[in-house]
Amino acid sequence: RKEVEQDPGPFNVPEGATVAFNCTYSNSASQSFFWYRQDCRKEPKLLMSVYSSGNEDGRFTAQLNRASQYISLLIRDSKLSDSATYLCVVNSYNQGGKLIFGQGTELSVKP
Amino acid sequence: NAGVTQTPKFRVLKTGQSMTLLCAQDMNHEYMYWYRQDPGMGLRLIHYSVGEGTTAKGEVPDGYNVSRLKKQNFLLGLESAAPSQTSVYFCASRLSGVGLGELFFGEGSRLTVL
Repeated sequence: RKEVEQDPGPFNVPEGATVAFNCTYSNSASQSFFWYRQDCRKEPKLLMSVYSSGNEDGRFTAQLNRASQYISLLIRDSKLSDSATYLCVVNSYNQGGKLIFGQGTELSVKP
Repeated sequence: NAGVTQTPKFRVLKTGQSMTLLCAQDMNHEYMYWYRQDPGMGLRLIHYSVGEGTTAKGEVPDGYNVSRLKKQNFLLGLESAAPSQTSVYFCASRLSGVGLGELFFGEGSRLTVL
């Protein structure tokens, strides 16, 4: 089992829809969590960090569920420009600097 | 404004040839990483380094070697390239500390092994 797993999708949604992605992790010592966005096999870029209390940035909301060991990303009012692959990243105190990515979830927003 | 620079950006190799990918960062970051990305596989960690002179294995280290002789450079070597190593390789760096997660990526190096 991979340490970090995501539903690869693709998720095909119409503009304006709300879509949510989950990312599960197996290491209970995991402490830091992040969502990255990747366009067309270009380099990934940080979308947002995930804090224990949950956090929001405009149309994007990230949440952490430690009991069930998953993080989620909610996108409201989807735009065409949101079409991309979303990658979750997990870091654990007991693994030093090791950063493991999920396999990514592809989102396609249609007019 | 260089950030993270990878060279070369494209390379075609024959099976059995060797090559080195160079990653250079000018942000004084302690941690550096090499990932490979294949269709449907996300980014898989090959090797990483938490400081000058240190390296560690990631998820898929076989067939690769790395060196971090200088803080700003992280080299990825393929001693005897195989077609299975055809991939896009990304280098990344970040500040030290578990909570400081933002990775800064290079633009990627596209390697084809024939």
